[in-house]
Amino acid sequence: GAGVSQSPRYKVAKRGQDVALRCDPISGHVSLFWYQQALGQGPEFLTYFQNEAQLDKSGLPSDRFFAERPEGSVSTLKIQRTQQEDSAVYLCASSLGQGNYEQYFGPGTRLTVT
Amino acid sequence: GQNIDQPTEMTATEGAIVQINCTYQTSGFNGLFWYQQHAGEAPTFLSYNVLDGLEEKGRFSSFLSRSKGYSYLLLKELQMKDSASYLCAVWGKGSGDKLTFGTGTRLAVRP
Repeated sequence: GAGVSQSPRYKVAKRGQDVALRCDPISGHVSLFWYQQALGQGPEFLTYFQNEAQLDKSGLPSDRFFAERPEGSVSTLKIQRTQQEDSAVYLCASSLGQGNYEQYFGPGTRLTVT
Repeated sequence: GQNIDQPTEMTATEGAIVQINCTYQTSGFNGLFWYQQHAGEAPTFLSYNVLDGLEEKGRFSSFLSRSKGYSYLLLKELQMKDSASYLCAVWGKGSGDKLTFGTGTRLAVRP
């Protein structure tokens, strides 16, 4: 595809449920980022991959959050035992890497935990 | 750590010029980005400054002063479609490739 895609676009989960959010980066992009954006705030960094290697996961708020990119392309962000404070938009971005640092964002997944 | 400040909201008139300021404190600095985000949509890249000075791109310009920890985004000939949030983001040294974003400035353009 032409841009970064994410699915689902909207997800409603009951508190305690597990969710999986998918990101398809732009083909050939080495770097992939996950951000969490609360209403009226800027995106907050969660984690970063270079190919299949997770180089930085310092932004993951708890051990309930887990991300993977096993083949260096599609990535999944998993949240276990969701809590109400997890409600936010989850943005995925990709970049060519290797000196080209412009990040291209997907439309995000809006997660609502009830 | 990094700290980024920008005004929460601004209002301007169609056809006018508006300047959105961003100040930052960071332990190291690689560059500064500006992104535009319309409500419910993905952020889109506007500009990237790594050296001091003004970068002009059509109706949008971005300025950086590294010694002052200061940047601004200048929007000329405002159009209604420019109503959006404008996000300042810093790429700091020692932070890998991740960006640290400000809270964003919501710009409302009035007729």
